[in-house]
Amino acid sequence: QTVVTQEPSLTVSPGGTVTLTCASSTGSVTSCSYPNWFQQKPGQAPRALIYNTNSKHSWTPARFSGSLLGGKPALTLSGVQPEDEADYYCLLYCGSAWVFGGGTKLTVL
Amino acid sequence: QVQLVQSGAEVKKPGASVRTSCRASGYSFTTYFVHWVRQAPGQGLEWVGMINTSDGGTNYSQKFLGRVTMTKDTSTSTVYMELSSLRSEDTALYYCVREAPGGTHDYWGQGTLVTVSS
Repeated sequence: QTVVTQEPSLTVSPGGTVTLTCASSTGSVTSCSYPNWFQQKPGQAPRALIYNTNSKHSWTPARFSGSLLGGKPALTLSGVQPEDEADYYCLLYCGSAWVFGGGTKLTVL
Repeated sequence: QVQLVQSGAEVKKPGASVRTSCRASGYSFTTYFVHWVRQAPGQGLEWVGMINTSDGGTNYSQKFLGRVTMTKDTSTSTVYMELSSLRSEDTALYYCVREAPGGTHDYWGQGTLVTVSS
């Protein structure tokens, strides 16, 4: 079964820029598709941010963007705010199954 | 507005089964798939499986094959997930999630806490 790997933790300063990535054990993104990104704060359900690599929901702040970086789905936060401190998860469709990454704990310091 | 409202918390003994529900409102129920995702305490998200709310077709994670059953009741716009042969490792918050066309998992239920304890 496919394993999806994310950076376990990242730290960024307020106003800075940070990029989170999502790597599948099968190799390039062509083996997996429909990258989604979610934000989860303590005690809350996850909130959808990005789908289909770079499409935003109506509620997604403009500072969040999705892309492919070296063939891997990536989430970039530009102009980070204190309220962006949270766990971030990617989700990929690999073969016939959906697989979540292990999550990235983003600290804003 | 789109809402997914889940049933209340459950406490079960090892070996038992649990059935939890997810009632959808605010959109055309049969147009969107519904997924189930779980999160053990302090852990990450894990995909359990999904149901096609139009024809009832299912796709389960290999990890849960043989133990999970997802069904739907179109008359009440409700999806059910039953997990059997429960063990302590199944203790988790179980979320239902709507999948819109294009692969976006946009709306989440509030979660149902299932606790497995003797």
